Amino acid sequence: DQQVKQNSPSLSVQEGRISILNCDYTNSMFDYFLWYKKYPAEGPTFLISISSIKDKNEDGRFTVFLNKSAKHLSLHIVPSQPGDSAVYFCAARGFIIQGAQKLVFGQGTRLTINP
Amino acid sequence: DAGITQSPRHKVTETGTPVTLRCHQTENHRYMYWYRQDPGHGLRLIHYSYGVKDTDKGEVSDGYSVSRSKTEDFLLTLESATSSQTSVYFCAISEVYKNTEAFFGQGTRLTVV
Repeated sequence: DQQVKQNSPSLSVQEGRISILNCDYTNSMFDYFLWYKKYPAEGPTFLISISSIKDKNEDGRFTVFLNKSAKHLSLHIVPSQPGDSAVYFCAARGFIIQGAQKLVFGQGTRLTINP
Repeated sequence: DAGITQSPRHKVTETGTPVTLRCHQTENHRYMYWYRQDPGHGLRLIHYSYGVKDTDKGEVSDGYSVSRSKTEDFLLTLESATSSQTSVYFCAISEVYKNTEAFFGQGTRLTVV
């Protein structure tokens, strides 16, 4: 039972244009949503997050939108740069015992920025 | 970058042998986690720790055990490795404060032949 889904395994975007990565979830109890970026042979690095009580969070070229009624979030990157080429993971956060965080990840979307 | 070191970075082992992966942190974070990454599944939680000697199971814990004898070290053991445990394993840490993200190590690529 996949609680967090990224339905696009890959996305190709031209440099300078907008990249939009999508994520859907099923569990209304998630309180935070995060995006991680991953380069080959490296660990995921945190990119941006959004609380479940907000609908938008912006950090430089990166904006995350949350639509709670649709249980959908998206990551917008504008303008896209070659260094943005990576795998992007959407994650939803729930809390388990004594404050430990359980992250539930989507399958990932491989973003390729073409010059 | 968060101070997380995973060792080894790569390992090939034979089916049926025990394997231990190590995660070492220098951040003094309370919580530590082990995830595995597989194609089509993203990252899935294996085990986590909420303090020294305090651990619990995640969603894919069968065949794995963990130990945490010191704040800085979290060990993942495959008691008898199987080919289905071929994966990339990531350690992560997080702090007590509610709104901080988890930081990940660089991963260990394990191949069971």
